[in-house]
Amino acid sequence: KAGVTQTPRYLIKTRGQQVTLSCSPISGHRSVSWYQQTPGQGLQFLFEYFSETQRNKGNFPGRFSGRQFSNSRSEMNVSTLELGDSALYLCASSYWGLPDNEQFFGPGTRLTVL
Amino acid sequence: AQSVTQPDIHITVSEGASLELRCNYSYGATPYLFWYVQSPGQGLQLLLKYFSGDTLVQGIKGFEAEFKRSQSSFNLRKPSVHWSDAAEYFCAVGGSYIPTFGRGTSLIVHP
Repeated sequence: KAGVTQTPRYLIKTRGQQVTLSCSPISGHRSVSWYQQTPGQGLQFLFEYFSETQRNKGNFPGRFSGRQFSNSRSEMNVSTLELGDSALYLCASSYWGLPDNEQFFGPGTRLTVL
Repeated sequence: AQSVTQPDIHITVSEGASLELRCNYSYGATPYLFWYVQSPGQGLQLLLKYFSGDTLVQGIKGFEAEFKRSQSSFNLRKPSVHWSDAAEYFCAVGGSYIPTFGRGTSLIVHP
């Protein structure tokens, strides 16, 4: 089975721009969760999508949004980028989702905001 | 609010030595507890998890962890470390639908 894939792997943007990151879950998985990883704040939960519905949301501003398609692929969007949005963005998939299903993580998208 | 503390930012061990990584959590009810490992340039991989039952949990790659409710701890152990174990290790608490991760412990393995 193919693992979780994330595209692109690296991205450079400037302040004020917007960005869309993509995550393809393991085949058959219906839950996709997104995380932000920074040296300063560590790993923080952004949101979880399950069967195209946002099920849970972390403590991030509304500039961070996401969606999930009928094939379970998910996209995350960040609008009006700030320098502090520079981070590794990880997505994880599981069959039943949080809180107890094993999550399988992708390699991440490294976003740099200049 | 739930929280996770990993007191050690870095730990250095010699190859073949035993390892213990500390994790303390705060959660109002019985937590779901996880240990993940992250190698450079990679995502996280689940090592083991605890939901209920036997407090000593066996995981992959020879790791184990023990849940101690009285100490609010879930320490990760390995009897003999291999050079390939060098990585970042994260403890996480679930139970609510929003997982909380510790800041991670970087394991350095000397030959």
